[in-house]
Amino acid sequence: NAGVTQTPKFQVLKTGQSMTLQCAQDMNHNSMYWYRQDPGMGLRLIYYSASEGTTDKGEVPNGYNVSRLNKREFSLRLESAAPSQTSVYFCASSEAFRQGGRGYTFGSGTRLTVV
Amino acid sequence: QKEVEQNSGPLSVPEGAIASLNCTYSDRGSQSFFWYRQYSGKSPELIMSIYSNGDKEDGRFTAQLNKASQYVSLLIRDSQPSDSATYLCAVRDSGGGADGLTFGKGTHLIIQP
Repeated sequence: NAGVTQTPKFQVLKTGQSMTLQCAQDMNHNSMYWYRQDPGMGLRLIYYSASEGTTDKGEVPNGYNVSRLNKREFSLRLESAAPSQTSVYFCASSEAFRQGGRGYTFGSGTRLTVV
Repeated sequence: QKEVEQNSGPLSVPEGAIASLNCTYSDRGSQSFFWYRQYSGKSPELIMSIYSNGDKEDGRFTAQLNKASQYVSLLIRDSQPSDSATYLCAVRDSGGGADGLTFGKGTHLIIQP
């Protein structure tokens, strides 16, 4: 089925460990995004990629790095996990935004706990 | 700092009634507006988009936009228990590129059977 695939779905890390969250889309979208969702805080943009080869910081980029590997894949890396990074992470993709853009398609999310 | 404000709720509506969800936004240059539905433990799902002032209808859903008042709403007619979810309002500004949507924190809607 066409869509956005995220892996893993669940992860528990110890403080200081590193990991990479993977995201792939097969809708030929140009733009991809990483959000985190915390209770009472809503969805907040971490990083985005307007097109292959470009990445930019969003609202809450500290502690994260990203790689746009190709048009399909956009990964999020935590180099040294902290308890404050316990959250649900969503990857999303969209066509290049223009007047009348169609919004995002979200992946199923990764539930990350840092202990 | 762009802001999108929603009443967090919970908003409780009897089955069969009209549910009215509201959203205000701070960026007067905003051009595109979206409503997402999110069930507990699931990812957001796009249900409506609106770009011009006025109403847009899709089945039981109607989105309403008033750019002068910086206000967007979602009406759900003939509410069903399956409509119980958190509804997220999202706004895209007029800039080019892909700097992301700004989301409200969501309104928790409960449809009482």
